[in-house]
Amino acid sequence: EAGVTQFPSHSVIEKGQTVTLRCDPISGHDNLYWYRRVMGKEIKFLLHFVKESKQDESGMPNNRFLAERTGGTYSTLKVQPAELEDSGVYFCASSPIAGGANEQFFGPGTRLTVL
Amino acid sequence: GNSVTQMEGPVTLSEEAFLTINCTYTATGYPSLFWYVQYPGEGLQLLLKATKADDKGSNKGFEATYRKETTSFHLEKGSVQVSDSAVYFCALSERGSYIPTFGRGTSLIVHP
Repeated sequence: EAGVTQFPSHSVIEKGQTVTLRCDPISGHDNLYWYRRVMGKEIKFLLHFVKESKQDESGMPNNRFLAERTGGTYSTLKVQPAELEDSGVYFCASSPIAGGANEQFFGPGTRLTVL
Repeated sequence: GNSVTQMEGPVTLSEEAFLTINCTYTATGYPSLFWYVQYPGEGLQLLLKATKADDKGSNKGFEATYRKETTSFHLEKGSVQVSDSAVYFCALSERGSYIPTFGRGTSLIVHP
């Protein structure tokens, strides 16, 4: 069974540009989460989808970040316009509808560098 | 609020050495505690967990005991291997929450 996949694995952009990250969860998982790890710091929660609905977006840093999950399958996270402080590793995770925190399956992350 | 503090790395060891990675936490309730591991190029994987005081989680030779009196969940392994080289994250989640609070991660490098 395929795990959580993320694309791209690395992205280098200039300040002011737009970047879109993609996450494909494990097939059949209704819960999808986005997290971010800024260099050397904690992994921080960004938001949580249940199917196509945003369940909790309390961790989104500001309105330059837009997450979507049309159709309840894959999700995208767009940063527009990107700022230097947005650099970090963005992780996606998924879990089945009955899963708790211990059942989240993580992707390998997208490393974003904003110059 | 909740927080997790773990020792800074990198931790560099020779193969077969004893490993301890310290983790302490602050929480308002009675959280579950976790250790995740991220091998190079891969996603985070749940390594072990403990859901109540004095529980011991174990997996792949790693162990951690939930110590409520010291609010700690230190990770130990008696004899590390080169393949254990990875980043280890301590985390907690409150009951009823699906969102873990993570520590900063500790990089482990094991030399042959």
